[in-house]
Amino acid sequence: DAKTTQPNSMESNEEEPVHLPCNHSTISGTDYIHWYRQLPSQGPEYVIHGLTSNVNNRMASLAIAEDRKSSTLILHRATLRDAAVYYCILSIDSGGSNYKLTFGKGTLLTVNP
Amino acid sequence: DSGVTQTPKHLITATGQRVTLRCSPRSGDLSVYWYQQSLDQGLQFLIQYYNGEERAKGNILERFSAQQFPDLHSELNLSSLELGDSALYFCASSTSPGVAGGPGPGELFFGEGSRLTVL
Repeated sequence: DAKTTQPNSMESNEEEPVHLPCNHSTISGTDYIHWYRQLPSQGPEYVIHGLTSNVNNRMASLAIAEDRKSSTLILHRATLRDAAVYYCILSIDSGGSNYKLTFGKGTLLTVNP
Repeated sequence: DSGVTQTPKHLITATGQRVTLRCSPRSGDLSVYWYQQSLDQGLQFLIQYYNGEERAKGNILERFSAQQFPDLHSELNLSSLELGDSALYFCASSTSPGVAGGPGPGELFFGEGSRLTVL
């Protein structure tokens, strides 16, 4: 399975932008890039996903490198509620449009007031 | 609230026993995924069902089995439990194996998990 590499932890200040990097150098053409986050004592929560083009939604932006070997999740203004573990995941096509998400260790984001 | 319901929330049992975890997906979602989260292994994909059929398999032990019923709820059965099976078990659902207009699982909605403690 194609793997992702993320920093173990990052810190940010409240109301500042946060750029969470992810490397996925072995990504294949049909792999989507997904980001989920997990707040303490909760299940993972979808943040955003994309294939080739940059994506924006109400939660965040996803910037995908032209060669697709890396991507960056951008939180435009971090709040204390954004403190969580952020997972960068590739959805692997296991055949017949069956996709599974393989989570890594993620990045623990700490937001300072 | 994701709309995915998991029961029980907490379960304590002994080694060698068997337990069943239940998941009700969001209304209309046909796919159900099971994940195991332990402190040392992180989130591990176990198995996926779509409309009653097994569609993808991950690191699921032979002692574990799952099924999805006609009403789309799913059960994960864990037998001959060992201490190392203590973990959080999450269920997630999505509308289909692929998003409308293209491949990929789209957005997964996770439940709050079932915490299993094996003593």
